[in-house]
Amino acid sequence: EVQLLESGGGLVQPGGSLRLSCAASGFTFRAHDMSWVRQAPGKGLEWVSGISPSGSTYYADSVRGRFTISRDNSKNTVFLQMNSLKVEDTAVYFCARTPNWKFDYWGQGTLGTVSS
Amino acid sequence: QSALTQPASVSGSPGQSITISCTGTGDDVGSYDLVSWYQQHPGRVPKLMIYEGNKRPSGVSNRFSGSKSGNTASLTISGLQTEDEADYFCCSYAGGSTPVIFGGGTKLTVL
Repeated sequence: EVQLLESGGGLVQPGGSLRLSCAASGFTFRAHDMSWVRQAPGKGLEWVSGISPSGSTYYADSVRGRFTISRDNSKNTVFLQMNSLKVEDTAVYFCARTPNWKFDYWGQGTLGTVSS
Repeated sequence: QSALTQPASVSGSPGQSITISCTGTGDDVGSYDLVSWYQQHPGRVPKLMIYEGNKRPSGVSNRFSGSKSGNTASLTISGLQTEDEADYFCCSYAGGSTPVIFGGGTKLTVL
């Protein structure tokens, strides 16, 4: 059974940082693209970032230069380092498996709140 | 890139069919057969319903179907059921350094 478990969310002040983790199990992690998708309270879905099995990275314009995605294939984990956080980054952050640009399995999400 | 355009809401009665449109551009929906659709019930995780324009994952009812014409993709739900009431989001590959774009979402109400 495919499982994705996010962690690392919390409350941070504007300008601060958060590091999200997503632990994967039930599939060959090293063979799959992975993504982070976020959803602000009461809003729609927004793709944030993706990473290929070899480590190629992709970012939404809204986070490029502030967020960094990475992966550790030995630990079946994908990370999202979020720096220079803004109030508008407040959202539930979902980790998703991303074969051929579709999101076929999602984690339960972790809430990141940016507020003073 | 701007979000794909979806109607804010659609409604239908049980047993009827509805279609949700998703309009992009020649740089995303019109260029790739990589549109996917997601169903999200309140407080729940999104669920993949359609991928690569018209393919259904295992376990998804054949009442759900996808299509595309030009820069507009569509999700059709036939034989509406009360449990279909949810938010629906389209998504397309767009190439380049920001390769994924979502629609704003459509709230489906089953009257």
